[in-house]
Amino acid sequence: AQTIHQWPVAEIKAVGSPLSLGCTIKGKSSPNLYWYWQATGGTLQQLFYSITVGQVESVVQLNLSASRPKDDQFILSTEKLLLSHSGFYLCAWSLGWGPAETLYFGSGTRLTVL
Amino acid sequence: QQKVQQSPESLTVSEGAMASLNCTFSDGTSDNFRWYRQHSGKGLEVLVSIFSDGEKEEGRFTAHLNRASLHVSLHIREPQPSDSAVYLCAMNTGGADRLTFGKGTQLIIQP
Repeated sequence: AQTIHQWPVAEIKAVGSPLSLGCTIKGKSSPNLYWYWQATGGTLQQLFYSITVGQVESVVQLNLSASRPKDDQFILSTEKLLLSHSGFYLCAWSLGWGPAETLYFGSGTRLTVL
Repeated sequence: QQKVQQSPESLTVSEGAMASLNCTFSDGTSDNFRWYRQHSGKGLEVLVSIFSDGEKEEGRFTAHLNRASLHVSLHIREPQPSDSAVYLCAMNTGGADRLTFGKGTQLIIQP
């Protein structure tokens, strides 16, 4: 069975500090990977997607970056956090690329920037 | 850009009574629709995917799609307190990367 693990579960960080969030998918080879973000009271927005190792496409510009160093790993990071980065970050995977594909989500990381 | 509106924002239903949630979208070009739910502080759980007009049932969850009226609904049969969560409607207008979510309906099931 496929499992998706996100870390950390929660973070409290200072404005201007760096951030690194991680996501690992087990049990599925070469999945498509996604980062989503949900501001408090807001709508889920896709930030990045990746079809293959080393390739990441940006969807929304939020002064964040993403990388896929391994087939099963997706990293979200920034060197300087902003207050507006607070929210809930979700990693997701899909088997393929077509419109019929379902996205499966991790448990998320709650980020509070003070 | 495709817009997704969910109603109501919040719904309280007694345990065992049918719960009905609604979602309208801005145009009929969407390929498929999904209902997810999100328990507080948790990730998303996919409930039902529906690709054509009509009805799709997954256990106690039934989705109804009517593209002509730009409407998709979710009905939860015999809801339990553990079904209390935020329910999100999502639609796809292309590849798996083009998924648009609604803001969600907060569902509370009272014992």
